[in-house]
Amino acid sequence: GNSVTQMEGPVTLSEEAFLTINCTYTATGYPSLFWYVQYPGEGLQLLLKATKADDKGSNKGFEATYRKETTSFHLEKGSVQVSDSAVYFCALISNFGNEKLTFGTGTRLTIIP
Amino acid sequence: GAGVSQSPSNKVTEKGKDVELRCDPISGHTALYWYRQSLGQGLEFLIYFQGNSAPDKSGLPSDRFSAERTGGSVSTLTIQRTQQEDSAVYLCASSLVAGGPVFETQYFGPGTRLLVL
Repeated sequence: GNSVTQMEGPVTLSEEAFLTINCTYTATGYPSLFWYVQYPGEGLQLLLKATKADDKGSNKGFEATYRKETTSFHLEKGSVQVSDSAVYFCALISNFGNEKLTFGTGTRLTIIP
Repeated sequence: GAGVSQSPSNKVTEKGKDVELRCDPISGHTALYWYRQSLGQGLEFLIYFQGNSAPDKSGLPSDRFSAERTGGSVSTLTIQRTQQEDSAVYLCASSLVAGGPVFETQYFGPGTRLLVL
């Protein structure tokens, strides 16, 4: 079946530090890959996505590249801000017509000034 | 425009009671999804509706769980004879369409936090 393995948290960084949150997946077919973010007290929001191998998704300074050879979709940001503090979820959709998201366990990120 | 809305935002119930959770998708979205977010299980898929097709119920954890989508819009998730392990945040999402050549983004509501005492 499909699964997503995500870097365990929580992660605490200082402002302006470099961020990497690892994500690897197992899926049948050719999945699309997503990062969702959940800010404190808010609902899940799509942060970025990539739909095929070697695609790079980017948004708000965050990037992730779809690596089919390593089945990975690691999230990176060069300089984090306090406002980036949130829970980040890696997810995938596999197979047309059955478009349920399979999520990782989430990584709580806290940025300290 | 308006996003996905859910009600109630919080629900406290006693073990054994039935509960109904409501989801209003974004207008014009034909696909609707229910997920559950719990401490022990993370985020897990429950059920998916696409237009007038039969729903995909493969994620429902037991026959105490059911969902309807009336008129292709509003959906209700019903949990009968609630148990303490049903305590979780129930999330609804909608997307423009599903099953096409491109995966449409799923937009999530704020969730209903259910606590079963």
